[in-house]
Formats: sequence, C-alpha cells, structure tokens
Amino acid sequence: GQQLNQSPQSMFIQEGEDVSMNCTSSSIFNTWLWYKQDPGEGPVLLIALYKAGELTSNGRLTAQFGITRKDSFLNISASIPSDVGIYFCAGRVTQGGSEKLVFGKGTKLTVNP
Amino acid sequence: GAGVSQSPSNKVTEKGKDVELRCDPISGHTALYWYRQSLGQGLEFLIYFQGNSAPDKSGLPSDRFSAERTGGSVSTLTIQRTQQEDSAVYLCASSLVGGPGTQYFGPGTRLTVL
Repeated sequence: GQQLNQSPQSMFIQEGEDVSMNCTSSSIFNTWLWYKQDPGEGPVLLIALYKAGELTSNGRLTAQFGITRKDSFLNISASIPSDVGIYFCAGRVTQGGSEKLVFGKGTKLTVNP
Repeated sequence: GAGVSQSPSNKVTEKGKDVELRCDPISGHTALYWYRQSLGQGLEFLIYFQGNSAPDKSGLPSDRFSAERTGGSVSTLTIQRTQQEDSAVYLCASSLVGGPGTQYFGPGTRLTVL
C-alpha cells in the first residue's frame, strides 16, 4: 500500500532555531497536508497544499508541495515553546469517488526555552 | 457544535468487555473516518464512511471491530471482547467530500483495557 516516510522521527532544538521536516513517498498524491497534534488532543490542520510546486506560508510555518508530487516539507522559523508537539504529514488519495489520507509516522518536536 | 466531538474522552474497561465509542462529525460533512493511535505512534486508518456508499472497512484489525454511521451523521465504533492490545486513542475525523479534502479531527477517546 501507499506509505509516507516522514523524517526526522524526533527533534530537540533551542528556542529561536528554525526547524525543517519532510515526507517522501513512492506514490503520487494530489494533496499534501500538515497537521500538528498537542498532547491529549486530536491533530489540527496547519497547512494544505493542492498543486505541485506550491509554496504556502501560515505565520512562521512554510510548506511546499514537491514538484514530483511525491514529497513535501514543512519549515518552522524562530521556534517558540508552544511549537512543541507531534507534526504529521498526510497525502490525500482520491480513487473512484473515495477520499482517504495516508499519514506519516510523525515528527516529535521538543523546544528547549 | 462547530467541531468534531467524541465521547467518552476516556474509557477504562476490563479485558473481554465490549465498548462503544461515539463520534459527532461537523454538520454537513459527508465523509467520516476512524483512526487508531497507539502510544507514540502515527495514525492507523480503521474505517471510512462516505454518504450512502458502503463503508471502506479495509483498516479494521479484526472482526471484533465494527462501526456504524446512522442517518449520515453520528458514528459509533464498537469493539467486542476487548483485548489489552486494543488500548489506544481512537480518533474520529470528518471532511466534505469534493471540497478541499482536509479532514478535521475530534479530540479522541483514550481507551484503556485492563
């Protein structure tokens, strides 16, 4: 089946540093999504990407939809303590009227004040 | 409400008992998904409902797991004869099929099987 390889698995950074994480796949996706999950909560959508090559920003977050449609990255600039959490990438698959998301295994981010 | 809601938020049960988990999707969302998230792990797809179509049950791990969606809205995930390995957070999400495709998640139900 389709799989997403998300890296790194975890990151430990100092407040103020920039962060970069990415997802790759052998499959093509028509949409890439990035979610953040805080402890005890469900994932919350951060950024959605719909076109190959698209670069989208949301505050300190920037994400890109790879030109091959098989990868995406998420950058966080000037990290702050509330950026702590698990970040998931997801690729959307549309097949015969059915829509599903395939999720990466997550990047756990720790920010030291 | 404005978002996806799930109940209960926490459920502790004994091995062998049945449990029911409930999800109320965002009003008007035609698609509903159930996922399982084990401690420190990613999201494992369980089942997907879309409108009146037959559900996609391809992710259900065993025949002890089943789900219903009544009236195209509320969904119930049932786990029969629970086992300790069923302990996890069960997340529900909904989306508007044909729209942007983004899924909105509920807060989850944390299930602990003793």
